[in-house]
Amino acid sequence: EIVLTQSPGTLSLSPGERATLSCRASQSVSSNDLAWYQQKPGQAPRLLIYGASSRVTGIPDRFSGSGSGTDFTLTISRLEPEDFAVYYCQQYGKSPLTFGPGTKVDIK
Amino acid sequence: EVQLLESGGGLVQPGGSLRLSCAASGFTFSTSAMSWVRQAPGKGLEWVSAISATGGSTYYADSMKGRFTISRDNSKNTLYLQMSSLRADDTAVYYCALPGSGYPIKPLDYWGQGTLVTVSS
Repeated sequence: EIVLTQSPGTLSLSPGERATLSCRASQSVSSNDLAWYQQKPGQAPRLLIYGASSRVTGIPDRFSGSGSGTDFTLTISRLEPEDFAVYYCQQYGKSPLTFGPGTKVDIK
Repeated sequence: EVQLLESGGGLVQPGGSLRLSCAASGFTFSTSAMSWVRQAPGKGLEWVSAISATGGSTYYADSMKGRFTISRDNSKNTLYLQMSSLRADDTAVYYCALPGSGYPIKPLDYWGQGTLVTVSS
């Protein structure tokens, strides 16, 4: 199975700052089949990005995804108060689907 | 509006069995693949299983193979997860999720609110 590693584990930033989250795969993710999810406490995850860089309808354009092969990045250009949450990457290029361990973005 | 409502969670003893259900509405269930994802308390997300629209193809995480069975009843718009030989490390919130594309191994666009399964004596 493809193992995903996310870094950092926790990112402490202030509103208005830029957040850069990394996701690395143990082998190449086919067709850039990589998604990003946001999860807030007590809520179900929400899909943000699919295909490594395509934003889901309704997701603000301050969220962007990039990368290919084994290295992927989620960037939040200017953090809003509602963006403080845990972010997971997921590969769906090969069964079994796998998730990364998550990056928590918290308020500095 | 897509709605996914899980039920069937609760307290079960180690070695026991439980069947989870997910009632779906707001989309054409019979043409949609579905998935289960779980999250242990304070931990990350773990994909459990997926099923094709017809139920003819099923997929499992290695750690669940042989113990969990995913199925569906398209006449009732309901997804199931039969869990057996349950262990303490199966304790988690179990989410039902819908891939937007209709295929099983795809991003999960819609999620239910989850049902908590606790395995303990």
